[in-house]
Amino acid sequence: DADVTQTPRNRITKTGKRIMLECSQTKGHDRMYWYRQDPGLGLRLIYYSFDVKDINKGEISDGYSVSRQAQAKFSLSLESAIPNQTALYFCATSGQRESDEQFFGPGTRLTVL
Amino acid sequence: GQNIDQPTEMTATEGAIVQINCTYQTSGFNGLFWYQQHAGEAPTFLSYNVLDGLEEKGRFSSFLSRSKGYSYLLLKELQMKDSASYLCAALDSNYQLIWGAGTKLIIKP
Repeated sequence: DADVTQTPRNRITKTGKRIMLECSQTKGHDRMYWYRQDPGLGLRLIYYSFDVKDINKGEISDGYSVSRQAQAKFSLSLESAIPNQTALYFCATSGQRESDEQFFGPGTRLTVL
Repeated sequence: GQNIDQPTEMTATEGAIVQINCTYQTSGFNGLFWYQQHAGEAPTFLSYNVLDGLEEKGRFSSFLSRSKGYSYLLLKELQMKDSASYLCAALDSNYQLIWGAGTKLIIKP
């Protein structure tokens, strides 16, 4: 079984709809991240969480919110989706050390019409 | 501002050697990562450098020069499966990862 899973894998929705992307990990890590990836751009950090009670905004948090339901679960919500939120979204997790690698989920391809 | 620069695309021949360069400008520096990402898949970790010098790991090596704000990833004995994007990412003074846009490597037979 995969260490980091994301659901759904693909989603097409309409402008104005509320969308939730879910992430679960079995690595036992405290740190979890949400990124988006757009063609020609690097991964951009949306939100990150260093433990269940810790939530931090990343570089591009506007229009997004998150919930850390448990150590293993970190959800990303788009309250009112807009077309420029069409992107590939990745969840990741890492250990406590800054030098620890990040383990990525398979990604969710979101299209907002 | 913070910035990571790497070439958009490179082409190399199967069996050859290729060097992918990365220059970074960050507020502080706490290390540099390289990840591999096949099309449509998640990035996977290749290397981490925090001290100057070359780190070798099988066919892949990564080099860092902190004074020059420069790193490279060296891939030897290229195989077709090495066709992928290679992402450079630097840890800034707040231990946030700043990602480059990636270098798409095309391997030709």
